[in-house]
Amino acid sequence: AQSVTQPDARVTVSEGASLQLRCKYSYFGTPYLFWYVQYPRQGLQLLLKYYPGDPVVQGVNGFEAEFSKSNSSFHLRKASVHWSDWAVYFCAVSMTGGYKVVFGSGTRLLVSP
Amino acid sequence: EAAVTQSPRNKVTVTGGNVTLSCRQTNSHNYMYWYRQDTGHGLRLIHYSYGAGNLQIGDVPDGYKATRTTQEDFFLLLELASPSQTSLYFCASSDGTGGYQNTLYFGAGTRLSVL
Repeated sequence: AQSVTQPDARVTVSEGASLQLRCKYSYFGTPYLFWYVQYPRQGLQLLLKYYPGDPVVQGVNGFEAEFSKSNSSFHLRKASVHWSDWAVYFCAVSMTGGYKVVFGSGTRLLVSP
Repeated sequence: EAAVTQSPRNKVTVTGGNVTLSCRQTNSHNYMYWYRQDTGHGLRLIHYSYGAGNLQIGDVPDGYKATRTTQEDFFLLLELASPSQTSLYFCASSDGTGGYQNTLYFGAGTRLSVL
């Protein structure tokens, strides 16, 4: 069955350090992948999305993600983390004509001073 | 910017109680969704709809009914609430025209506690 796995429930990064949040997918066919972010006491909002083409996708606020078909991965990266990046990050895959989106369990990012 | 409004923001009920969660979107999107968010599970799809009068079953539909009365309004009904339905509920919408690239726009969520 199609699924998305985020192996890290929580990641702590120092402010100014680089970040990688991991996402592995299982999907038969061409995957359409997303990263959403949930700031405290808010709903989710789109960070970036991938469709077949350039494997590196740029998003908002300096985030980018790299798609790897061989590793079935879509990891999120940022070169320098800011305290305002403190949030929960969800990886997701679109299926069934695009109308059904399946989410991973989320990774909570904590930023230390 | 898509606007999705959920009400109430917080709700407490007792086991066996009747609860209705409301969602309204003001961007004429065709698709609307109800998700629940639980620690360790991420977001799980309960029901979704592609237009007024339409309802599609999601991945965790047991114990939930939903109704799409207009293009704007999508309701989630818990007719005999149970403690296992204590959760954070999100409504989302999308215009459905982007195919696999559809972006979901989320409301701020409703926190439901069933005692």
